Amino acid sequence: QSALTQPASVSGSPGQSITISCTGTSSDIGGYNHVSWYQQHPGQAPKFIIYGVSNRPSGVSNRFSGSKSGNTASLTISGLQAEDEADYYCSSYTSSVTWIFGGGTKLAVL
Amino acid sequence: EVQLVESGGGVVQPGGSLRLSCAAAGFDFSGHWMHWVRQAPGKGLVWVLCISSDGNNIKYADSVKGRFTISRDNTKNTLSLQMNSLRVEDTAVYYCVRGQYHALDVWGQGTTVTVSS
Repeated sequence: QSALTQPASVSGSPGQSITISCTGTSSDIGGYNHVSWYQQHPGQAPKFIIYGVSNRPSGVSNRFSGSKSGNTASLTISGLQAEDEADYYCSSYTSSVTWIFGGGTKLAVL
Repeated sequence: EVQLVESGGGVVQPGGSLRLSCAAAGFDFSGHWMHWVRQAPGKGLVWVLCISSDGNNIKYADSVKGRFTISRDNTKNTLSLQMNSLRVEDTAVYYCVRGQYHALDVWGQGTTVTVSS
């Protein structure tokens, strides 16, 4: 199964909002509300920031929000801060009872 | 503290085998599906395989089917990954990850596997 499709990079200025898209198929994103998002800083393990399309785990800033329309999910980060500069990955549960990740998006805070 | 600690990584020749372990602490290990996710150098995350909480249901990515096996010991709170017939393209950091809400919520720090002659 091919990876979910994410833009390779996005950028924004401090205080701005950015959105990262994640496109799949009806067998993954479109078929289930089991989309999650992960943040990874260089040299570190990924951190879980969104689950169930739009739910934030305890301790994750409310500047992070998620949504879904059809086969595409989105992660929005508002009020960009320098510490948000990282790689972001989407993931979805699939109809095969497997999981699939997107290729990752590098966020630059200019 | 909820924690996952991987071990067993190293350098192995193509065609060789390696066994990774993951020690879980701070949560009810027997109540969670567990996953292995890998990341090749400079590349993205790739889901590899998972095992149900009771060990009776295992799912694999096509790339490792027939070569990798996952197992767990709920009495010792440990997860294992047996990797056989290793290929150069299996070179990666391997993460042990807890499943929750159909997502992957707790990650270990990873262990590095290098397949090279």
